[in-house]
Amino acid sequence: SAVISQKPSRDICQRGTSLTIQCQVDSQVTMMFWYRQQPGQSLTLIATANQGSEATYESGFVIDKFPISRPNLTFSTLTVSNMSPEDSSIYLCSVVGPGGVGELFFGEGSRLTVL
Amino acid sequence: GESVGLHLPTLSVQEGDNSIINCAYSNSASDYFIWYKQESGKGPQFIIDIRSNMDKRQGQRVTVLLNKTVKHLSLQIAATQPGDSAVYFCAENIAGNQFYFGTGTSLTVIP
Repeated sequence: SAVISQKPSRDICQRGTSLTIQCQVDSQVTMMFWYRQQPGQSLTLIATANQGSEATYESGFVIDKFPISRPNLTFSTLTVSNMSPEDSSIYLCSVVGPGGVGELFFGEGSRLTVL
Repeated sequence: GESVGLHLPTLSVQEGDNSIINCAYSNSASDYFIWYKQESGKGPQFIIDIRSNMDKRQGQRVTVLLNKTVKHLSLQIAATQPGDSAVYFCAENIAGNQFYFGTGTSLTVIP
């Protein structure tokens, strides 16, 4: 299995500000993903973080709002830009384990509250 | 995205009873499904998976059933314990490592 650490675990942010969430994995992984989980809801894939190239965004998510970095095979960041209360969510980093498709491991999440 | 939904948003069961959590999916081309468990304040945890060439798969105290005819998935938990209280999500894999997650069912185990 992969151990995933996210920072911050939670934060309270002011409207209009930006926050960067970090994801550190204890082993090199090919595939890393960022998900959003709005209060009381399920998980929605934001983007695939690609090492050495631009992230691949899902419909409804854009780079200007959610810029992603993936400088190496163990680390990624997600920035939530120009936040509004609607961005209050849990943001989850996930990776595919050594077993391949399906072994999707998740971090504990970063719970953001935007005032 | 594709539609993956659950029939029941909440489920309460007595400790020791069996639990059944249901999930409907909409994409007949989906070939791989996973059940995740999410405890409060934690990330989702893999429970069990099943490929579309199977109808049933068993794990420790858990069984997943897949009915491709009606595009239905279920998770059965035997002898439910208080530690099973969590939100359960089904996830549908269409291609690569992209998954669409269902709405989630909150399971409460009554001691």
